[in-house]
Amino acid sequence: DGGITQSPKYLFRKEGQNVTLSCEQNLNHDAMYWYRQDPGQGLRLIYYSQIVNDFQKGDIAEGYSVSREKKESFPLTVTSAQKNPTAFYLCASSIGGTSGASYNEQLFGQGTRLTVL
Amino acid sequence: QKEVEQNSGPLSVPEGAIASLNCTYSDRGSQSFFWYRQYSGKSPELIMSIYSNGDKEDGRFTAQLNKASQYVSLLIRDSQPSDSATYLCAVNMISFSGSARQLTFGSGTQLTVLP
Repeated sequence: DGGITQSPKYLFRKEGQNVTLSCEQNLNHDAMYWYRQDPGQGLRLIYYSQIVNDFQKGDIAEGYSVSREKKESFPLTVTSAQKNPTAFYLCASSIGGTSGASYNEQLFGQGTRLTVL
Repeated sequence: QKEVEQNSGPLSVPEGAIASLNCTYSDRGSQSFFWYRQYSGKSPELIMSIYSNGDKEDGRFTAQLNKASQYVSLLIRDSQPSDSATYLCAVNMISFSGSARQLTFGSGTQLTVLP
């Protein structure tokens, strides 16, 4: 079955550590996204990528980094510079990119819940 | 700052009733609108998309769009306890940096359907 796989489901990090969240999709989608969700809030965009080897900052990119070496994969690294990393992280993908009058539907993975100890 | 506003709720309706969820947005140039359902502790699931003014029906769900009023709504007919979830409205809007359109989410409306 086609879908978006995020791993791990739960992740614990000590202060000062970098951690990497995995996101893989087999939908042949060009665009991929990372969001952060805090309790009782909507989703905020961290980074997005419309094509391999290219990515753009979202609204809250500070303290995060990404790479897009393969179409199927878009890992997110939460660095020690992120002051409040405890949150629910969601990866999404869509067929097309973010520009144009018709915005493509985004589908989500099951999420990674990150907790800083 | 471009915004998407939803009533946070919680909204409670009896089983079998119609649940009405509302969303307003600030970017008059927005062209694409989505409703996601999110169960507690789970990721959002796309349930409706709408691009043109008017109504779009899919089973028990109807999305309504009025671009002139910058308003989009979701109606759930014959509500079931399994519909109890948080519903997120998402609108494509000019990004914070102004360089591209991106999906902006409201904070969600929590719906409880009472048996």
